[in-house]
Amino acid sequence: AQTVTQSQPEMSVQEAETVTLSCTYDTSESDYYLFWYKQPPSRQMILVIRQEAYKQQNATENRFSVNFQKAAKSFSLKISDSQLGDAAMYFCAYRSAYGGSYIPTFGRGTSLIVHP
Amino acid sequence: NAGVTQTPKFQVLKTGQSMTLQCAQDMNHEYMSWYRQDPGMGLRLIHYSVGAGITDQGEVPNGYNVSRSTTEDFPLRLLSAAPSQTSVYFCASSLTGGMDSTEAFFGQGTRLTVV
Repeated sequence: AQTVTQSQPEMSVQEAETVTLSCTYDTSESDYYLFWYKQPPSRQMILVIRQEAYKQQNATENRFSVNFQKAAKSFSLKISDSQLGDAAMYFCAYRSAYGGSYIPTFGRGTSLIVHP
Repeated sequence: NAGVTQTPKFQVLKTGQSMTLQCAQDMNHEYMSWYRQDPGMGLRLIHYSVGAGITDQGEVPNGYNVSRSTTEDFPLRLLSAAPSQTSVYFCASSLTGGMDSTEAFFGQGTRLTVV
C-alpha cells in the first residue's frame, strides 16, 4: 500500500514571504498522480495543484508551485508571496494511475500559519 | 451543478445509536469514498466504491457499513456509535481516466460527536 508522509505538522510564514511544505511518499508504481489540497477553517477541501508522475516538468498554479523529485519520491509545495488567505491545513495526496487503486491516500497534513 | 452533497453537517449521537450519513453526487463519477479526519491523523479511508454494487474496505472500516445501489448515492452507516467515532467525515468522488479527471471532489463534511 502507498503511504504519504508530511513531516511538518505546522509551519509559519510572514505575509509576502515564501514557504515550502514537504511531502514524501512510498510506492512501487511507475505512474501515479500527486496532489496538494488546501483545507481552510470552513472545512472545504480545495485542490491547489496536481502533478502526473510521468511529466518531468513541475506543475505551477499562480503563486503555487511544486518541486517533484520522482527518484527521491518527494513532492514539496512552494507558496510564493504568502497571503493571509493561504492560512489553512494543507494535505498531500497520492493516487494510482492503475485501475482498482484510484482512491487517493492522504498525508497527515501541515497547518500553515501566516503572520501579518 | 451541485457536485458532492453530504448531509447532515453536524450530528450528535448517544453511544449505541445508529445513523446514516448521506452522500450524493451528480457528476456521474464511478469512484466514491468515505474518509474520517481526526487531529494529527489526516484523512483516513473508511470504505470506497468503484461503481454501483461494488464496495470495499479502506484503512479503518470497523464499525461502519456502506452500500452503493446507484451511481449517485453512497451512504455511510454507523451501526452502534462509539465515542471513538467522534470525527469529521468526508465523502469524495472522482472519475478515472486522463489527467483532467483525476481530481477528487469532496462534500462539505459532517462533524459527528458521540457522547
